[in-house]
Amino acid sequence: ELKVEQNPLFLSMQEGKNYTIYCNYSTTSDRLYWYRQDPGKSLESLFVLLSNGAVKQEGRLMASLDTKARLSTLHITAAVHDLSATYFCAGVLPGKIIFGKGTRLHILP
Amino acid sequence: NAGVTQTPKFRVLKTGQSMTLLCAQDMNHEYMYWYRQDPGMGLRLIHYSVGEGTTAKGEVPDGYNVSRLKKQNFLLGLESAAPSQTSVYFCASSSTRGGKDEQYFGPGTRLTVT
Repeated sequence: ELKVEQNPLFLSMQEGKNYTIYCNYSTTSDRLYWYRQDPGKSLESLFVLLSNGAVKQEGRLMASLDTKARLSTLHITAAVHDLSATYFCAGVLPGKIIFGKGTRLHILP
Repeated sequence: NAGVTQTPKFRVLKTGQSMTLLCAQDMNHEYMYWYRQDPGMGLRLIHYSVGEGTTAKGEVPDGYNVSRLKKQNFLLGLESAAPSQTSVYFCASSSTRGGKDEQYFGPGTRLTVT
């Protein structure tokens, strides 16, 4: 059974700082997704990671995947207030897409 | 190009009533999904479809039925609503063409069952 755990679940950080959100999953996953959700809004796809060692970057966000460790990370560089949101990772097996509970990120000016 | 749209945006039902949520996509995607999101939780997959005329159960299918008679539409039905089905429902679609496999989400339907 695929389980996906994110940590931390809540994160308050200062603008300009760097931080990493971790996503651990319990069994082999076909791929790993990262999403952003603003309060009261829908989900926005950030990254799709397909293979071991995959690294993708968009602006101040960088995601990586280590399939041997069953770990994906979302790294935030020099955080800005606009990045305040909830971030979800999700793992995939045939017929299943399992989401983590999300990391609520609050960036203080 | 509207992407993924959902109808209605809000609905209040009494226990035992039925309703259908409509999801439409104009991106010619093969795959479509229905999720529910509860407070403090990630999304949970209810049902999904890999193509017109096909559907399959996800993680939490009980109490829901789906149909995909046309490629662009995916319907989610509640035959006899229960308070436990109070949630925000999201539809999504995706395609593996071009190797992207990115899911596009609709704006959500907020359902309250009293």
